Amino acid sequence: DTGVSQDPRHKITKRGQNVTFRCDPISEHNRLYWYRQTLGQGPEFLTYFQNEAQLEKSRLLSDRFSAERPKGSFSTLEIQRTEQGDSAMYLCASSLVLAGGDTQYFGPGTRLTVL
Amino acid sequence: TQLLEQSPQFLSIQEGENLTVYCNSSSVFSSLQWYRQEPGEGPVLLVTVVTGGEVKKLKRLTFQFGDARKDSSLHITAAQPGDTGLYLCAGEEPQGGSEKLVFGKGTKLTVNP
Repeated sequence: DTGVSQDPRHKITKRGQNVTFRCDPISEHNRLYWYRQTLGQGPEFLTYFQNEAQLEKSRLLSDRFSAERPKGSFSTLEIQRTEQGDSAMYLCASSLVLAGGDTQYFGPGTRLTVL
Repeated sequence: TQLLEQSPQFLSIQEGENLTVYCNSSSVFSSLQWYRQEPGEGPVLLVTVVTGGEVKKLKRLTFQFGDARKDSSLHITAAQPGDTGLYLCAGEEPQGGSEKLVFGKGTKLTVNP
């Protein structure tokens, strides 16, 4: 098992363009989380899935953001009509929920720069 | 929204020195996790503490969870340049079912040779 992977690692785009990121969790992990981290801050929760169901979305996740996990395995995060304020590191984490809680393992992140 | 405050924000020390960083909140967490993050990478889990008063050791790193499960500390003995990085604490909210993590802003540690 190679851990959580994310693609691409870096994305530079112009304001107004759409971008899509992919996250492949650790095999058999049933939960998948998306976080966003800006410079000098800790990661902030965006949304999470249990299997294929999206169970919670942060108020940080505007209507321009959409996330999917169609088969309960990999997930995609799409940002439409990007803005400069969307520039950040987008982190994915996965976990296997058992009785008593879970531990989240993070991927290397996708660094988005909006020009 | 629960908040976690980490201190100090920045710490620069010489190799061989000891240090302690702190993570404080006015709220109770189900568990607290410490991560280390290097530039351009995702956070890497160091430890999870669950029980109030719990102490865990990982080589030269000692982690403690406060009795009331509101605060935590990380102590590093004889720091080495390889310890350089951003240390993040993250608390798991005790209700709601999501186990989503609330992160502090981190302590940026630099260990000079």
